[in-house]
Amino acid sequence: EPEVTQTPSHQVTQMGQEVILRCVPISNHLYFYWYRQILGQKVEFLVSFYNNEISEKSEIFDDQFSVERPDGSNFTLKIRSTKLEDSAMYFCASRGHGANVLTFGAGSRLTVL
Amino acid sequence: AQKVTQAQTEISVVEKEDVTLDCVYETRDTTYYLFWYKQPPSGELVFLIRRNSFDEQNEISGRYSWNFQKSTSSFNFTITASQVVDSAVYFCALTWTNDYKLSFGAGTTVTVRA
Repeated sequence: EPEVTQTPSHQVTQMGQEVILRCVPISNHLYFYWYRQILGQKVEFLVSFYNNEISEKSEIFDDQFSVERPDGSNFTLKIRSTKLEDSAMYFCASRGHGANVLTFGAGSRLTVL
Repeated sequence: AQKVTQAQTEISVVEKEDVTLDCVYETRDTTYYLFWYKQPPSGELVFLIRRNSFDEQNEISGRYSWNFQKSTSSFNFTITASQVVDSAVYFCALTWTNDYKLSFGAGTTVTVRA
């Protein structure tokens, strides 16, 4: 069964460092998403992406965050200067054209020290 | 306001008991979609079911069943004859846009003891 792949599974970084989280969506999917889950809290929408541009973003997704589809297979989330409060599980998801369900990856746990 | 409330934080049962998870939602839109996702201890989010606002039929899938009632804005989920492998956090979610900006509830942690 096709799946969304995320790397790394866990990253520990120092406050102020840049972090890039990588996602490989399902190959024929066109819509891509990042969600965040702070430990013990609900899953929150960050951003959606289609046709090489952001479709929608939440208030969490400020100037410190950016997304990119650098090639035909990867979808990345960059945090320019990490803060302690960026510590969370980050989920990538993708959806095919006309499909009505998101397929989520296993998540990347980010720990900012 | 668009909001999903899962009032039950944690539920603990013994194997073979039934478990019902409550989900209450708020939305201004007449067209919306409701979801349940399972998050096992390994952390991934596993899709369980999607319902659109025009389809109030209840659904059964094996030991899982869902009760959608627009009159009470609820979309409850029942696990029948629970098993240890059902231990997970279960999230109810709502989207009212075609862009699938999901709004999740806080989740209910289900622990099934052998």
